[in-house]
Amino acid sequence: EAQVTQNPRYLITVTGKKLTVTCSQNMNHEYMSWYRQDPGLGLRQIYYSMNVEVTDKGDVPEGYKVSRKEKRNFPLILESPSPNQTSLYFCASTKTGLANTGELFFGEGSRLTVL
Amino acid sequence: AQTVTQSQPEMSVQEAETVTLSCTYDTSESDYYLFWYKQPPSRQMILVIRQEAYKQQNATENRFSVNFQKAAKSFSLKISDSQLGDAAMYFCAYRGYTSGTYKYIFGTGTRLKVLA
Repeated sequence: EAQVTQNPRYLITVTGKKLTVTCSQNMNHEYMSWYRQDPGLGLRQIYYSMNVEVTDKGDVPEGYKVSRKEKRNFPLILESPSPNQTSLYFCASTKTGLANTGELFFGEGSRLTVL
Repeated sequence: AQTVTQSQPEMSVQEAETVTLSCTYDTSESDYYLFWYKQPPSRQMILVIRQEAYKQQNATENRFSVNFQKAAKSFSLKISDSQLGDAAMYFCAYRGYTSGTYKYIFGTGTRLKVLA
């Protein structure tokens, strides 16, 4: 089954404790991205990657890191989480080039709470 | 910079009736995509409908259709014969292509309630 898989789905952590949210897709997509969803703000892009070893900042990158060492994986790293990073996080992917149909394919979301 | 605006935070519709959700956007690009995504309580993001800007014909998917007005930069979603399962948050989204990269922008969402 074609899918984007995020882990963990739920996480409660404390301020300053490094954490990684993994994202993996099995659709051979070149483009991958991370979003955070907050009430009244919609989805805002954190980072994106057009292909392996190519990453760039989105609209709200502060406090986050990413890496794209393999085509299928795009982990989101919070080096020192703070309470304002409490949010619902989505990973999404799509093909690029002529095969691109435009829409993003989303993971199921990761609910992160930072105390 | 591109923007997407959904001015209706919440809408209600009676079951079996029709409702229209509004979305406006701003861009200087001529070629782009527009989408409506549905987010039910499960939080899953589900593509409802897609519109390519170069296509003048409005997209339709069963009970869902759009009114795409390119000059006015408007992209509204019409849901006909509303069902209880249509209750969800709906996000309007834009995809542009600038400097070799895709740019996705989402609106703030409209929560749709369906009344039995």
